[in-house]
Amino acid sequence: AQTVTQSQPEMSVQEAETVTLSCTYDTSESDYYLFWYKQPPSRQMILVIRQEAYKQQNATENRFSVNFQKAAKSFSLKISDSQLGDAAMYFCAWGRGGGSNYKLTFGKGTLLTVNP
Amino acid sequence: DAGITQSPRHKVTETGTPVTLRCHQTENHRYMYWYRQDPGHGLRLIHYSYGVKDTDKGEVSDGYSVSRSKTEDFLLTLESATSSQTSVYFCAISDRDRGTANYGYTFGSGTRLTVV
Repeated sequence: AQTVTQSQPEMSVQEAETVTLSCTYDTSESDYYLFWYKQPPSRQMILVIRQEAYKQQNATENRFSVNFQKAAKSFSLKISDSQLGDAAMYFCAWGRGGGSNYKLTFGKGTLLTVNP
Repeated sequence: DAGITQSPRHKVTETGTPVTLRCHQTENHRYMYWYRQDPGHGLRLIHYSYGVKDTDKGEVSDGYSVSRSKTEDFLLTLESATSSQTSVYFCAISDRDRGTANYGYTFGSGTRLTVV
């Protein structure tokens, strides 16, 4: 079974600083997708960023970027210029690209606190 | 945002009673999912569906059943609720079956279920 590991249960960052959240995964597949989801106190799950495994270029979305190291099976999320609204639980997720029974496997999450 | 709604948003029930949670989508997606979220465990897959009347078990399916008689509705039933099923339940849909798929999930707003 695929596993996704987030080794940092909690992280904190000062407003306007940069923080990196770690994620590693275990798979023998070559075609897959990786995601970071954000869950603020409202409980809503929000897609932050996605990465296709076949793309070497790291995905970026405004202040959010990833460092995708396929050989190391690592997929970290960097948040630049942190804002108070970035405070949330962040989940890393993995999904196999091929096949019909598509489903995502999630890590246990990292709770990010942003200090003013 | 994709149209996906869960009901109810909150529910308190007694041990031993059956409970049904409803997920409704207006996007005509084939893939629908039920996850539970618990502190320290992240999101764990209960059951999923890849079409009308096509369902399969996830990693934590014991004590749960599902039904999908229409594309738009995916029901999760706790056959006899126990305190260990106190959790937040999320429904999600995936665009995996579309030619322009981004393979991510869109989530409902969750149901907080308390079994007393």
